[in-house]
Parts: sequence; C-alpha cells; structure tokens
Amino acid sequence: GNSVTQMEGPVTLSEEAFLTINCTYTATGYPSLFWYVQYPGEGLQLLLKATKADDKGSNKGFEATYRKETTSFHLEKGSVQVSDSAVYFCALILTGGGNKLTFGTGTQLKVEL
Amino acid sequence: DVKVTQSSRYLVKRTGEKVFLECVQDMDHENMFWYRQDPGLGLRLIYFSYDVKMKEKGDIPEGYSVSREKKERFSLILESASTNQTSMYLCASSLVGGPFYEQYFGPGTRLTVT
Repeated sequence: GNSVTQMEGPVTLSEEAFLTINCTYTATGYPSLFWYVQYPGEGLQLLLKATKADDKGSNKGFEATYRKETTSFHLEKGSVQVSDSAVYFCALILTGGGNKLTFGTGTQLKVEL
Repeated sequence: DVKVTQSSRYLVKRTGEKVFLECVQDMDHENMFWYRQDPGLGLRLIYFSYDVKMKEKGDIPEGYSVSREKKERFSLILESASTNQTSMYLCASSLVGGPFYEQYFGPGTRLTVT
C-alpha cells in the first residue's frame, strides 16, 4: 500500500538555523507530493507541492524537491523564524486515486530565539 | 479564499451519546473529507464524499457514519460515542480533477468523550 514516513520530532532549532525535515514515501503508482503545515490551534494549510519527478515546490522560503530515485521529498528552509514553529505533514496522493491523501505522522518544529 | 468551517472548536460529550460534527465549505467543491488526528498517528481518513448523497469509507470508518444532503455540508456522526473517539476531527474539501488535488482544511473540532 501507500505510505509516508517522516522524521520524528520535536525538532528544536535556534532562529536563523537551517531546517531539514526528511520525508520518504512508498507508492504503488506515480504520486503527487505535498507539505502541509499546522500552526497551533489551526487546521492544516498547504505549504507547497510537486506533481512530477525533479519538480521543486517552494513557498514562504521553504523548498522541497521531488526525488523519484530516492522516493523522497525533504523539506528545507535556509533560515527559520520563531513564526515557523508548527507541525509539518508530508503527504501523497495518487493520480486517479480517488482524491485520497496519505499523510505522514507529522513533525513538530520549535524555533527558539 | 476557500473557507471551510466546522460547527464547534471544542466539544465534550458523555459515553454513549450521539454526536454530530458539522462541516460547511463555501467554494462549491465536489469532494469533502473527515479525518481524525492523533499524536504519533498523523491524520487518518474516516470517510469521504465525492457528491451529494455519495460516500466512501476511508481507513478507519468503524464507529462513524456520515451524511451529505447538500453539496456544501458534510456531517460526521458518532452513533454512540466512546472514550477512544476522543480526538481532533478535521474536515476538508477539494475540487475534482487536475494534476493534483489540493485539500482545504477547517480549523478542527477537539472532541473529548468522558
């Protein structure tokens, strides 16, 4: 079946540090890949997406590249801010797969001054 | 902007009660979804609906039912609430078609069953 594996959190960083959150996937078909973010007390928001191999999704200084050869979609940011503190979810959907997202377990990021 | 609203942010119910969670979206989306979110388990799909009066089971439908009488509204029903249904419930909606299917989420309902 389809699955998404994320690094366990919490990840604690100082402001302006470099961020990487690892995400790998297993899929029976050819998925589209997403990162969602959940700020405290809120629902999930789409952060970025990539729909084919070697695509790079980017938004708000975050980036992730769809790597088919390593089945990965790692999230990176060059300089995190306190306001980036949130839970980050990696997810996939199969084209023609009935619109069903498969989520990872989420990685909590805490950024301190 | 797409808006997905949920009827309550926090809800406390007793074991055995019938519980209704309501979700409304204002963007004419065909698809609507109910997830539950638990620490260490991420989001798990309970049910989804791709049209009025249509529904499909997700990964964990046991103990839940749904209703979609109007396109904009999708209700999750706990017929007889149990303590293991204490969780955060998230509703989402999306359009059909396209190379990807962005889902828009509501703020969530934190349900406690005592």
